[in-house]
Amino acid sequence: AQKITQTQPGMFVQEKEAVTLDCTYDTSDPSYGLFWYKQPSSGEMIFLIYQGSYDQQNATEGRYSLNFQKARKSANLVISASQLGDSAMYFCAMRAYSSNTGKLIFGQGTTLQVKP
Amino acid sequence: GAGVSQSPSNKVTEKGKDVELRCDPISGHTALYWYRQSLGQGLEFLIYFQGNSAPDKSGLPSDRFSAERTGGSVSTLTIQRTQQEDSAVYLCASSLVRGAMGNEQFFGPGTRLTVL
Repeated sequence: AQKITQTQPGMFVQEKEAVTLDCTYDTSDPSYGLFWYKQPSSGEMIFLIYQGSYDQQNATEGRYSLNFQKARKSANLVISASQLGDSAMYFCAMRAYSSNTGKLIFGQGTTLQVKP
Repeated sequence: GAGVSQSPSNKVTEKGKDVELRCDPISGHTALYWYRQSLGQGLEFLIYFQGNSAPDKSGLPSDRFSAERTGGSVSTLTIQRTQQEDSAVYLCASSLVRGAMGNEQFFGPGTRLTVL
């Protein structure tokens, strides 16, 4: 069975500091992708970053980077230089490719609050 | 280009009534997904359409739920004989399918369903 675990229900960070949001996953599929989405209070889901299981380097997108540790099955999101607009719920998700299904399995989410 | 659109944005219905939720994916996206998000929870996969292939219905919670996708574009999710536990935000997403990797899903704004 595939599973995503986000152990931090809520996090606080001071503006301009970096923060790491934890994500661990479980799958027996050798080919998979890991995604992070942001959900502000308005409700829309915003794609942030993607990491493929065979990617050699950690993914980066602007202030977002993914700390991918395959042996530990973790895919933590690092947000550098936090901004007030980063306050939102963050979801880690996984897609297993060998099973040829497009569905994403989501974690329970982490609520991030950025303090001024 | 327009994003994924969903209608209605809000729907209040009485227990036992049928409801239809509509999703209009991004033009050119061949994959379409429905998810459900209960209050404060992660997203739960419902159904996945890819081109002309048979849909993956593995996430539908009961036979009261069904979905169709006409002409490879617009999709309708139908819930028959609604129950109070069906109250949630129903999110639709679409994606390109390029190879098998990194096909981020773009989400619509969701339909908030309340069953009284």
